[in-house]
Amino acid sequence: QKEVEQDPGPLSVPEGAIVSLNCTYSNSAFQYFMWYRQYSRKGPELLMYTYSSGNKEDGRFTAQVDKSSKYISLFIRDSQPSDSATYLCAMRRETSGSRLTFGEGTQLTVNP
Amino acid sequence: SQTIHQWPATLVQPVGSPLSLECTVEGTSNPNLYWYRQAAGRGLQLLFYSVGIGQISSEVPQNLSASRPQDRQFILSSKKLLLSDSGFYLCAWSSRKGGASQPQHFGDGTRLSIL
Repeated sequence: QKEVEQDPGPLSVPEGAIVSLNCTYSNSAFQYFMWYRQYSRKGPELLMYTYSSGNKEDGRFTAQVDKSSKYISLFIRDSQPSDSATYLCAMRRETSGSRLTFGEGTQLTVNP
Repeated sequence: SQTIHQWPATLVQPVGSPLSLECTVEGTSNPNLYWYRQAAGRGLQLLFYSVGIGQISSEVPQNLSASRPQDRQFILSSKKLLLSDSGFYLCAWSSRKGGASQPQHFGDGTRLSIL
């Protein structure tokens, strides 16, 4: 079983929709949670970075972490065609240095 | 601000040829540096990481090696490429200030095709 599970999609939504992207994980030692956005033929770009459980909001993006359920989410409000990309979740233990464990990514297309 | 550069962006190499990919970071000192490989339909696999000049940790036994000759320079090499070395290679950095709490930031990668 993979440590981090992420539905690869593809996910296709109309412009303006609310998008929900999710990851589940099995290792309860994970403490830091990240969402990266990756455009085609580019490197991942850090979108959201959270520690432990709770919510974090940045503009149209909201990250949620539920450690009791081992479940993290990224919500995109008022989605735009420019949001079309692959979204990768990543997480890390507090004591493992800087090793990240990634999900496989969800491919999102926002249609105008 | 900090920036990370990788080159080349695309590379086509024959099987058995050598490889050298370079990554440099600007705007920070003493960063942690990482090499990842991303295969199609898969997540990122950590290959090497470095916490300082000459200090390299290998995560996956393979045909590749890494070196860090300068503080902000990280090089991925191979003496003889295999077909299975094809993929998208990404370099990343993180600040050592604050320890494990710092996120990683990625370059734009090198797409390597082995023929």
